[in-house]
Amino acid sequence: SAVISQKPSRDICQRGTSLTIQCQVDSQVTMMFWYRQQPGQSLTLIATANQGSEATYESGFVIDKFPISRPNLTFSTLTVSNMSPEDSSIYLCSATGEATEAFFGQGTRLTVV
Amino acid sequence: AQKVTQAQTEISVVEKEDVTLDCVYETRDTTYYLFWYKQPPSGELVFLIRRNSFDEQNEISGRYSWNFQKSTSSFNFTITASQVVDSAVYFCADQPDKLIFGTGTRLQVFP
Repeated sequence: SAVISQKPSRDICQRGTSLTIQCQVDSQVTMMFWYRQQPGQSLTLIATANQGSEATYESGFVIDKFPISRPNLTFSTLTVSNMSPEDSSIYLCSATGEATEAFFGQGTRLTVV
Repeated sequence: AQKVTQAQTEISVVEKEDVTLDCVYETRDTTYYLFWYKQPPSGELVFLIRRNSFDEQNEISGRYSWNFQKSTSSFNFTITASQVVDSAVYFCADQPDKLIFGTGTRLQVFP
C-alpha cells in the first residue's frame, strides 16, 4: 500500500489569495488525482495530474482556477487560486498504482473568509 | 458516461440489525473496478473492497459482504449485526480509469 502525505492539513485563507496544497506519495504510482469534497457532499474529481504535462480537468474545473503540477511520479501540487468562500472544502489527493485500489491523503481542510 | 448512484441518502438502524447499502453503476467500459469506501466522522477515507468487473463472485469479510451483479449493474454492500462503530458515510465508486464516487449513504447505528 502507499502512504500519501498531504499538507497543509488545514488552513484559513483570505478571499482573493491563493493556496498551494502538496501531495507526496511514498512509492511510485501510476496515476494521481485531486478531489474536492464540499461540506456534506461526496468527492468530486477535479483533475488527473499527469507527470510532466498539463493536468486533465473534469467538467466545471479549469486550469486558471486550479493549476496542478506533477513534476515526478510521487509528487503533485494543487493550487486554489483567487479564493472565494465557495472554495471552502476539503481537498484530497489520491494515487493509484498498477492493479491497486486508490489511496487517499488525509485531506486539506480549507476555509476561505 | 460514468456514473454511480447511491439512492439511499441516509439509513438509521439499531445495533445488531443487518443493513444493505445499494449501489448502481453505469459505465461503457468492459473492464472496470468497483469500490466501497467508508468515511467515519473523523473524515479519512477507509478502503473496504475492490472488485474487478470480471469477477462476479460475492465476497464476505467478517460482518461485511458484497453482492456484485453485472446483469443489474449493482454492487451492494451488507453489514451483518451492525455496530455503533459502523456509523459513517459509505461511498461506492467506479473506476475504468479514474475513480468516480457515488453521492454516499450516511449510516447511523443506534445503540
